[in-house]
Amino acid sequence: DAGVIQSPRHEVTEMGQEVTLRCKPISGHNSLFWYRQTMMRGLELLIYFNNNVPIDDSGMPEDRFSAKMPNASFSTLKIQPSEPRDSAVYFCASSFSTTEQGSNQPQHFGDGTRLSIL
Amino acid sequence: ELKVEQNPLFLSMQEGKNYTIYCNYSTTSDRLYWYRQDPGKSLESLFVLLSNGAVKQEGRLMASLDTKARLSTLHITAAVHDLSATYFCAASRGSGGSNYKLTFGKGTLLTVNP
Repeated sequence: DAGVIQSPRHEVTEMGQEVTLRCKPISGHNSLFWYRQTMMRGLELLIYFNNNVPIDDSGMPEDRFSAKMPNASFSTLKIQPSEPRDSAVYFCASSFSTTEQGSNQPQHFGDGTRLSIL
Repeated sequence: ELKVEQNPLFLSMQEGKNYTIYCNYSTTSDRLYWYRQDPGKSLESLFVLLSNGAVKQEGRLMASLDTKARLSTLHITAAVHDLSATYFCAASRGSGGSNYKLTFGKGTLLTVNP
């Protein structure tokens, strides 16, 4: 079975440019998460979608960050304009959960996008 | 606010030895997860612990959960080089449908030496 698929794997761009990260969750999963991993702050949840609806975006650093999930099989995380401090590894993860019980399953992570802003 | 602390953060072991990684969390949590991450790679799920007293084992790794002590442990038996990686624990906040939010520990970098 295909896991969570992210693209690109690596992105190097100059400050001020727009960056778009893409994610395809595991088929059948209804929950999607975007995380950021840095040495200083570890793994941080940026945004959580359930059934394509953003439920919690409290981790999104600022207005330069936006995320969309137009359908069950695709999500994007966009940074515009990008800054050097945005350099990090961005992970997408998915799982299945219900409203009543949440999820007893782990979140499955993609391979991540290593983003470098010069 | 839920806080998760792992210790040790760095662990260098000899092959064949046993050791335990500890994961403490600050407030009530109904789920505890263990993940493994190899350098430059994704996070791989190892265990999901759902109730007090839960114990799960896979190969040389065994995880347990004590919700009263707010403590989970990951025990490594007879370590081999292939176990070298960073191990993360994560606890979920909320209950029912709101238990999606994971707080991760800083990770334990395990190096197993021949």
